[in-house]
Amino acid sequence: EAGVAQSPRYKIIEKRQSVAFWCNPISGHATLYWYQQILGQGPKLLIQFQNNGVVDDSQLPKDRFSAERLKGVDSTLKIQPAKLEDSAVYLCASTMGGRGSPLHFGNGTRLTVT
Amino acid sequence: DAKTTQPNSMESNEEEPVHLPCNHSTISGTDYIHWYRQLPSQGPEYVIHGLTSNVNNRMASLAIAEDRKSSTLILHRATLRDAAVYYCIRMNSGNTPLVFGKGTRLSVIA
Repeated sequence: EAGVAQSPRYKIIEKRQSVAFWCNPISGHATLYWYQQILGQGPKLLIQFQNNGVVDDSQLPKDRFSAERLKGVDSTLKIQPAKLEDSAVYLCASTMGGRGSPLHFGNGTRLTVT
Repeated sequence: DAKTTQPNSMESNEEEPVHLPCNHSTISGTDYIHWYRQLPSQGPEYVIHGLTSNVNNRMASLAIAEDRKSSTLILHRATLRDAAVYYCIRMNSGNTPLVFGKGTRLSVIA
């Protein structure tokens, strides 16, 4: 099966600019997650979708971050305006759901804010 | 709060077995134990998971203590490609997302 696809692979922007990341999950996976991974740390959850509805966005900095999952398939994560501390790898993951179902991760987008 | 405790780093010689420990003393009876690993410049990769019984797959074995307060991921013969950060994670009911700690960085020496 095809894996989770993310683009772009790398992005460099200046602070206060905006940026968007795209994720295409594995076909049939109802649950989609966005994680932020700062260098040297484990991934931190930003938002969880179940189909096209938000399940958990408690850790999403809503003043600058937004995410959507139209039609319950692809998802986009946007940052506007970016800050230096947003430099990180943004990971998308999907799963069929259920406690035993593993998460499948994409290779992420590495964002550098200068 | 990851609710699991792992050593920051471990080292192994190539072709020797590796035992990666994880403490999850507050685990509930319905929490699964998941292991993922992350190679450099890649997203985390699922390794194995279990609930109560020991589990084996083509990548590794998972040994779960009888009281479920700890578990051990076993790589039977470490290779250089197994050098990665290994995360032990509790996964509770429904679709609650995985909470990652800092994991264990495994180095494999040729």
